[in-house]
Amino acid sequence: EVQLVESGGGLMQPGGSLKLSCAGSGFTVVTTYMSWVRQAPGKGLEWVSTIYSGGNTYFADSVKGRFAMSRDNSKNTLYLQMNSLRVDDTAVYYCAREPPYTSAWDYWGQGTQVTVSS
Amino acid sequence: DIQMTQSPSSLSASVGDRVTITCRASQTISTYLNWYQQKPGKAPKLLIYAASNLQSGVPSRFSGSASGTDFTLTISSLQPEDFATYHCQQTFGIPRTFGQGTKVEIK
Repeated sequence: EVQLVESGGGLMQPGGSLKLSCAGSGFTVVTTYMSWVRQAPGKGLEWVSTIYSGGNTYFADSVKGRFAMSRDNSKNTLYLQMNSLRVDDTAVYYCAREPPYTSAWDYWGQGTQVTVSS
Repeated sequence: DIQMTQSPSSLSASVGDRVTITCRASQTISTYLNWYQQKPGKAPKLLIYAASNLQSGVPSRFSGSASGTDFTLTISSLQPEDFATYHCQQTFGIPRTFGQGTKVEIK
């Protein structure tokens, strides 16, 4: 059974750093596209970043230069390193899988809350 | 960037009603259009992929269609468990943009 389990969220001060994890099971993370999306309180879904199976990464302008994506093949886990956090980064962060045969996000993590506040 | 304009932002409907939600892309995206359902406090769930393909396990009262850059999600007979927020998303290009969402509420 395919599953994505996120962890790493929390409360941080502006300027701080957090690293989110998204552990996959039932499939191999490096063989498919993986993405992060976030949802601020009462708002819609905002795409954050995507990593292609070949390793190319793409980021929203709002996080470019501050966030980084990586994968650990041995742990079948996706990461989102978030630096220079701002108040407007406050949101629930979800990871999701995008297999090439559907080009849709068919499995999502449960979400992890990131709150940036002084 | 490809902009996705979703309408309406909210609607009130009764059980058994036929509901239609639309999404318009700012440029051609072929059929790289997906629909998701989200309930409060939960992750979105994939309903329709590639504009008109029903995801496995999703009830057949949900359907999707496309006409050029206009896309439609239809719920043929609204059920109590369908009250939720619906999102469209394009996966034609980067960034993977979403519509603003449509909240379906009980009339």
